[in-house]
Amino acid sequence: DGGITQSPKYLFRKEGQNVTLSCEQNLNHDAMYWYRQDPGQGLRLIYYSQIVNDFQKGDIAEGYSVSREKKESFPLTVTSAQKNPTAFYLCASSIRATRNGGETQYFGPGTRLLVL
Amino acid sequence: AQSVAQPEDQVNVAEGNPLTVKCTYSVSGNPYLFWYVQYPNRGLQFLLKYITGDNLVKGSYGFEAEFNKSQTSFHLKKPSALVSDSALYFCAVRDPPYGQNFVFGPGTRLSVLP
Repeated sequence: DGGITQSPKYLFRKEGQNVTLSCEQNLNHDAMYWYRQDPGQGLRLIYYSQIVNDFQKGDIAEGYSVSREKKESFPLTVTSAQKNPTAFYLCASSIRATRNGGETQYFGPGTRLLVL
Repeated sequence: AQSVAQPEDQVNVAEGNPLTVKCTYSVSGNPYLFWYVQYPNRGLQFLLKYITGDNLVKGSYGFEAEFNKSQTSFHLKKPSALVSDSALYFCAVRDPPYGQNFVFGPGTRLSVLP
């Protein structure tokens, strides 16, 4: 988990509330990612960003929003439009892909979001 | 699109015995394959990767993986399992090969019994 921090470790959301998950990295990586993990399932990509001030939707972006104002930070907001937000959320970062293709993603420790 | 499959939800092995966690892939070109491990309530940790070169890749914690192009497989192996190896293991592939994103398999839970 070194180099990537996520906070809080646990987060509780009330009905109709927006909540923001923090992700910070000190690895000087250009690319950052958000994944959702549900029990018994693999990781599903929510959003990714390859460079500051730019981001793209992943496979399950509905009900989520992101920003990338700084290279080190990629916060994820779970909006009230996300009807089933209970999950484990993982942030990752990597250097930008090259033709070598060997770039590895490094993960933070995760945030568990629970609905009250 | 690239994809990976992990045919076993659960693998049980006795401590000291060899272990294998299976992964098969489907890609349109040369594959870029990765293995990660996840301990309870933690993020994923990188174990090893195959980009090119030797078919046997050595990684962290004594793990290795064998790339087999004819069988489109990338199985994770360890000669002697430890109880502390019990965790969730994910196989992943770059999508597309030079692209920025990964596609993860559903994971295989490994239980090493003392």
